[in-house]
Amino acid sequence: DAKTTQPTSMDCAEGRAANLPCNHSTISGNEYVYWYRQIHSQGPQYIIHGLKNNETNEMASLIITEDRKSSTLILPHATLRDTAVYYCIVSQVNRDDKIIFGKGTRLHILP
Amino acid sequence: EPEVTQTPSHQVTQMGQEVILRCVPISNHLYFYWYRQILGQKVEFLVSFYNNEISEKSEIFDDQFSVERPDGSNFTLKIRSTKLEDSAMYFCASSTHSYEQYFGPGTRLTVT
Repeated sequence: DAKTTQPTSMDCAEGRAANLPCNHSTISGNEYVYWYRQIHSQGPQYIIHGLKNNETNEMASLIITEDRKSSTLILPHATLRDTAVYYCIVSQVNRDDKIIFGKGTRLHILP
Repeated sequence: EPEVTQTPSHQVTQMGQEVILRCVPISNHLYFYWYRQILGQKVEFLVSFYNNEISEKSEIFDDQFSVERPDGSNFTLKIRSTKLEDSAMYFCASSTHSYEQYFGPGTRLTVT
């Protein structure tokens, strides 16, 4: 019952932009796209979320297509510390909603 | 920057024993969660807690599990009689909004 599809793994050179794609073709109008990451052996970490407009914060940018069926998380200048599993999640925003984690994309930043 | 803390970082216990995992959520947060991650597998939701009661629980969270917020700061997960398959990393999280949950560093539970 996965709502999102992500590549299993990706590589990116240190200092380059890492672009992580996510497909969510069955997203409904009141569902947000949000991204978390999990660095090895640590707790997941919130990165960013959006509804339909592109969003940017100090960590990343989120580009959502006009039809909202896919999105891309962009880490503008990847560092070795960005090596992690990145999770794209689609859900309504209710205050106490659980997060359903998929398998995510394992991003390797190469020196 | 405020953070969620968890103790202990590693707990080893024998099968059938009770364990209590402790968490201190971020002080102004109102929503609290437990998740677990068996080695090599996905992070799985266990339970959410708000206003001193369980909001939602998963199928994993059976009668052997309980949660409590005994005072204004701690949030605990108790497993009454541990099984080998309870071995996992347990993460506590807290939030003011569901889309920005802050996770603790986790407690690695090893049941022997």
